[in-house]
Amino acid sequence: SQKIEQNSEALNIQEGKTATLTCNYTNYSPAYLQWYRQDPGRGPVFLLLIRENEKEKRKERLKVTFDTTLKQSLFHITASQPADSATYLCALGGAGNNRKLIWGLGTSLAVNP
Amino acid sequence: GAVVSQHPSWVICKSGTSVKIECRSLDFQATTMFWYRQFPKQSLMLMATSNEGSKATYEQGVEKDKFLINHASLTLSTLTVTSAHPEDSSFYICSASPTRDTQYFGPGTRLTVL
Repeated sequence: SQKIEQNSEALNIQEGKTATLTCNYTNYSPAYLQWYRQDPGRGPVFLLLIRENEKEKRKERLKVTFDTTLKQSLFHITASQPADSATYLCALGGAGNNRKLIWGLGTSLAVNP
Repeated sequence: GAVVSQHPSWVICKSGTSVKIECRSLDFQATTMFWYRQFPKQSLMLMATSNEGSKATYEQGVEKDKFLINHASLTLSTLTVTSAHPEDSSFYICSASPTRDTQYFGPGTRLTVL
């Protein structure tokens, strides 16, 4: 069955450093991959989408890479700030009209001042 | 733009009662809306896919008679938890999908069944 794995341990980094989160998947060929941020007691907020034919996407301090050979996506937050502390979820989307997403468990990120 | 609201944001009810949760897309239309449930420290679990004007498609293991979904318009979907029990206590989140690869999420509804 399809499976997504994100960093199992919470990530603690110092303010100003780059946070790198991983998302690995098996038994699936996604048409696109998305990253979301979720704060406690809130719904997820969309951050970035990267398609299967794209290697890298950037948005301000965020960068996503997508390696369909390794079946892996890396999510980077540069110049991290305490306000970046949250849980980050990766989700895989399929081709065609199927809009369902397959979700990872999420990685908790804490940026320490 | 792309705001999705949910109402109520939290609800406490007695066992055996029914609870209705509304999901609205405020500034866009969505032919498809999704309903998720999330338990503490777990990922989102898709319950059902709701398409405007048609019956919802439920995921395996989700009881359609217990979780009634109505998608009456392009901006409103409702989830009714019927005869709620303590094990139904969870965080319910909806999302609205205006395009194939886009989902905008509501803030979630915390349901506590006593």
